[in-house]
Amino acid sequence: DAMVIQNPRYQVTQFGKPVTLSCSQTLNHNVMYWYQQKSSQAPKLLFHYYDKDFNNEADTPDNFQSRRPNTSFCFLDIRSPGLGDAAMYLCATSSQGAYGETQYFGPGTRLLVL
Amino acid sequence: RKEVEQDPGPFNVPEGATVAFNCTYSNSASQSFFWYRQDCRKEPKLLMSVYSSGNEDGRFTAQLNRASQYISLLIRDSKLSDSATYLCVVAPSGTYKYIFGTGTRLKVLA
Repeated sequence: DAMVIQNPRYQVTQFGKPVTLSCSQTLNHNVMYWYQQKSSQAPKLLFHYYDKDFNNEADTPDNFQSRRPNTSFCFLDIRSPGLGDAAMYLCATSSQGAYGETQYFGPGTRLLVL
Repeated sequence: RKEVEQDPGPFNVPEGATVAFNCTYSNSASQSFFWYRQDCRKEPKLLMSVYSSGNEDGRFTAQLNRASQYISLLIRDSKLSDSATYLCVVAPSGTYKYIFGTGTRLKVLA
Protein backbone atom coordinates (compact mmCIF):
# COMPACT_ATOMS: atom_id res chain seq x y z
CA ASP A 1 0.00 0.00 0.00
CA ALA A 2 1.45 3.30 -1.08
CA MET A 3 1.96 5.58 1.91
CA VAL A 4 3.67 8.59 0.31
CA ILE A 5 2.54 9.25 -3.23
CA GLN A 6 4.13 11.66 -5.65
CA ASN A 7 2.73 12.86 -8.93
CA PRO A 8 3.78 12.95 -11.61
CA ARG A 9 6.63 10.45 -11.55
CA TYR A 10 8.26 12.19 -14.51
CA GLN A 11 7.81 15.81 -15.48
CA VAL A 12 9.22 17.54 -18.53
CA THR A 13 9.00 21.31 -18.63
CA GLN A 14 10.45 24.12 -20.65
CA PHE A 15 12.97 26.59 -19.37
CA GLY A 16 11.07 29.24 -17.41
CA LYS A 17 7.70 27.48 -17.50
CA PRO A 18 6.19 27.07 -14.01
CA VAL A 19 5.71 23.56 -12.76
CA THR A 20 3.99 22.06 -9.71
CA LEU A 21 4.86 18.74 -8.14
CA SER A 22 2.50 17.10 -5.71
CA CYS A 23 2.84 14.82 -2.73
CA SER A 24 0.19 13.10 -0.69
CA GLN A 25 0.40 10.80 2.30
CA THR A 26 -1.88 8.30 3.98
CA LEU A 27 0.18 8.11 7.18
CA ASN A 28 -1.35 11.17 8.86
CA HIS A 29 2.16 12.37 9.66
CA ASN A 30 2.49 15.94 10.77
CA VAL A 31 5.91 16.63 9.25
CA MET A 32 6.43 16.76 5.49
CA TYR A 33 9.65 17.45 3.63
CA TRP A 34 10.78 18.32 0.12
CA TYR A 35 14.25 17.30 -1.00
CA GLN A 36 16.14 17.87 -4.22
CA GLN A 37 18.56 15.15 -5.26
CA LYS A 38 20.98 15.37 -8.16
CA SER A 39 22.98 12.49 -9.53
CA SER A 40 25.52 11.03 -7.08
CA GLN A 41 24.63 13.61 -4.44
CA ALA A 42 22.88 13.45 -1.10
CA PRO A 43 19.26 14.57 -0.91
CA LYS A 44 19.24 18.30 -0.20
CA LEU A 45 16.48 19.60 2.04
CA LEU A 46 14.55 22.46 0.47
CA PHE A 47 11.92 23.01 3.16
CA HIS A 48 9.71 21.23 5.61
CA TYR A 49 6.39 21.69 7.37
CA TYR A 50 5.49 20.83 10.91
CA ASP A 51 1.72 20.85 10.49
CA LYS A 52 1.18 24.26 8.86
CA ASP A 53 4.40 25.72 10.23
CA PHE A 54 6.64 26.29 7.20
CA ASN A 55 10.44 26.10 7.51
CA ASN A 56 12.58 27.22 4.61
CA GLU A 57 16.25 26.30 4.31
CA ALA A 58 18.47 29.38 4.06
CA ASP A 59 19.97 28.30 0.75
CA THR A 60 16.72 27.31 -0.97
CA PRO A 61 16.31 29.57 -3.99
CA ASP A 62 13.32 31.94 -4.07
CA ASN A 63 12.29 30.16 -7.25
CA PHE A 64 11.05 27.29 -5.08
CA GLN A 65 7.83 27.66 -3.14
CA SER A 66 5.65 25.23 -1.25
CA ARG A 67 2.07 24.89 -0.11
CA ARG A 68 0.47 22.55 2.35
CA PRO A 69 -3.30 22.99 2.21
CA ASN A 70 -4.01 20.13 4.63
CA THR A 71 -2.29 17.30 6.50
CA SER A 72 -2.35 14.95 3.54
CA PHE A 73 -1.09 17.12 0.70
CA CYS A 74 1.99 19.18 0.01
CA PHE A 75 3.01 20.90 -3.23
CA LEU A 76 6.30 22.10 -4.61
CA ASP A 77 6.06 25.01 -7.05
CA ILE A 78 9.02 25.92 -9.22
CA ARG A 79 8.18 29.33 -10.60
CA SER A 80 10.76 29.61 -13.36
CA PRO A 81 12.68 26.37 -13.79
CA GLY A 82 16.24 26.64 -15.00
CA LEU A 83 18.42 23.92 -16.46
CA GLY A 84 20.09 23.54 -13.07
CA ASP A 85 16.78 22.58 -11.48
CA ALA A 86 16.68 19.28 -13.34
CA ALA A 87 16.79 16.69 -10.55
CA MET A 88 14.83 14.11 -8.61
CA TYR A 89 12.44 15.74 -6.15
CA LEU A 90 11.65 13.63 -3.14
CA CYS A 91 8.82 14.12 -0.70
CA ALA A 92 9.10 12.56 2.74
CA THR A 93 7.10 12.42 5.95
CA SER A 94 7.72 11.66 9.58
CA SER A 95 5.30 11.48 12.45
CA GLN A 96 6.86 14.07 14.71
CA GLY A 97 10.27 14.80 13.36
CA ALA A 98 13.74 13.94 14.49
CA TYR A 99 13.18 12.17 17.77
CA GLY A 100 13.91 8.63 16.69
CA GLU A 101 11.16 8.66 14.13
CA THR A 102 11.65 7.17 10.70
CA GLN A 103 11.30 9.22 7.54
CA TYR A 104 9.19 7.72 4.77
CA PHE A 105 9.90 8.71 1.20
CA GLY A 106 7.72 8.89 -1.84
CA PRO A 107 8.98 7.44 -5.13
CA GLY A 108 10.12 10.86 -6.33
CA THR A 109 9.40 13.03 -9.33
CA ARG A 110 12.13 13.25 -11.91
CA LEU A 111 12.14 16.71 -13.47
CA LEU A 112 13.65 17.42 -16.83
CA VAL A 113 14.03 21.01 -18.01
CA LEU A 114 14.40 21.61 -21.74
CA ARG B 1 33.92 19.72 7.62
CA LYS B 2 30.69 18.17 6.40
CA GLU B 3 28.06 17.37 9.01
CA VAL B 4 27.87 13.75 7.88
CA GLU B 5 30.72 12.13 5.99
CA GLN B 6 30.89 8.83 4.19
CA ASP B 7 33.41 7.19 1.92
CA PRO B 8 31.70 7.37 -1.49
CA GLY B 9 33.26 4.11 -2.67
CA PRO B 10 32.53 2.28 -4.84
CA PHE B 11 33.11 -0.85 -2.86
CA ASN B 12 33.32 -3.78 -5.26
CA VAL B 13 33.06 -7.07 -3.38
CA PRO B 14 32.45 -10.68 -4.44
CA GLU B 15 29.27 -12.47 -3.49
CA GLY B 16 29.49 -13.91 -0.01
CA ALA B 17 31.95 -11.33 1.23
CA THR B 18 31.59 -9.26 4.38
CA VAL B 19 31.75 -5.51 3.89
CA ALA B 20 31.67 -2.64 6.36
CA PHE B 21 30.88 1.04 5.92
CA ASN B 22 31.58 3.84 8.33
CA CYS B 23 29.99 7.23 8.65
CA THR B 24 31.16 10.10 10.84
CA TYR B 25 29.07 12.99 12.10
CA SER B 26 30.13 16.33 13.50
CA ASN B 27 27.24 17.30 15.79
CA SER B 28 27.76 15.63 19.14
CA ALA B 29 24.16 16.47 20.09
CA SER B 30 22.81 14.21 17.35
CA GLN B 31 20.10 11.99 18.67
CA SER B 32 18.91 9.58 16.02
CA PHE B 33 20.79 7.63 13.38
CA PHE B 34 19.70 5.63 10.39
CA TRP B 35 20.97 3.69 7.43
CA TYR B 36 18.97 4.02 4.24
CA ARG B 37 19.42 2.09 1.04
CA GLN B 38 18.93 3.79 -2.31
CA ASP B 39 18.79 1.94 -5.61
CA CYS B 40 19.62 3.75 -8.81
CA ARG B 41 16.93 6.31 -9.71
CA LYS B 42 14.73 5.25 -6.80
CA GLU B 43 13.84 6.77 -3.46
CA PRO B 44 15.78 6.06 -0.25
CA LYS B 45 14.32 3.24 1.81
CA LEU B 46 14.99 2.64 5.48
CA LEU B 47 17.38 -0.22 6.06
CA MET B 48 17.65 0.12 9.81
CA SER B 49 17.72 2.56 12.66
CA VAL B 50 20.90 2.57 14.73
CA TYR B 51 20.68 2.27 18.49
CA SER B 52 23.31 2.89 21.13
CA SER B 53 23.43 -0.79 22.00
CA GLY B 54 23.91 -1.79 18.38
CA ASN B 55 21.36 -3.76 16.45
CA GLU B 56 21.19 -6.58 13.99
CA ASP B 57 18.71 -7.49 11.30
CA GLY B 58 19.59 -10.70 9.52
CA ARG B 59 22.83 -10.16 7.64
CA PHE B 60 23.00 -6.48 8.60
CA THR B 61 24.52 -5.11 11.80
CA ALA B 62 24.63 -1.45 12.77
CA GLN B 63 26.76 0.06 15.50
CA LEU B 64 26.91 3.50 17.06
CA ASN B 65 29.99 4.94 18.74
CA ARG B 66 28.99 8.22 20.37
CA ALA B 67 32.43 8.90 21.83
CA SER B 68 34.04 8.84 18.40
CA GLN B 69 30.93 10.11 16.61
CA TYR B 70 30.61 7.42 14.02
CA ILE B 71 28.16 4.78 12.98
CA SER B 72 28.89 1.64 11.03
CA LEU B 73 27.05 -0.84 8.89
CA LEU B 74 28.25 -4.41 8.44
CA ILE B 75 26.85 -6.61 5.71
CA ARG B 76 27.63 -10.31 5.93
CA ASP B 77 27.33 -12.86 3.12
CA SER B 78 26.78 -10.18 0.48
CA LYS B 79 24.20 -10.86 -2.20
CA LEU B 80 24.01 -9.45 -5.69
CA SER B 81 20.79 -7.73 -4.60
CA ASP B 82 22.71 -5.77 -1.96
CA SER B 83 24.22 -3.64 -4.73
CA ALA B 84 23.00 -0.11 -4.01
CA THR B 85 24.01 3.16 -2.41
CA TYR B 86 23.90 3.19 1.39
CA LEU B 87 23.04 6.54 2.93
CA CYS B 88 23.95 7.46 6.47
CA VAL B 89 21.37 9.78 8.04
CA VAL B 90 21.73 11.70 11.28
CA ALA B 91 19.04 13.63 13.10
CA PRO B 92 20.30 16.35 15.46
CA SER B 93 18.28 16.82 18.61
CA GLY B 94 15.93 19.78 18.81
CA THR B 95 15.22 19.88 15.08
CA TYR B 96 12.99 18.12 12.63
CA LYS B 97 15.76 17.92 10.06
CA TYR B 98 17.65 14.87 8.90
CA ILE B 99 21.20 15.27 7.63
CA PHE B 100 22.24 12.92 4.84
CA GLY B 101 25.66 11.71 3.92
CA THR B 102 26.47 11.50 0.22
CA GLY B 103 26.22 7.74 0.35
CA THR B 104 28.54 4.78 -0.13
CA ARG B 105 28.11 2.83 -3.30
CA LEU B 106 28.30 -0.95 -3.05
CA LYS B 107 28.59 -3.31 -5.98
CA VAL B 108 28.44 -7.03 -5.28
CA LEU B 109 30.01 -9.05 -8.05
CA ALA B 110 29.08 -12.57 -9.17
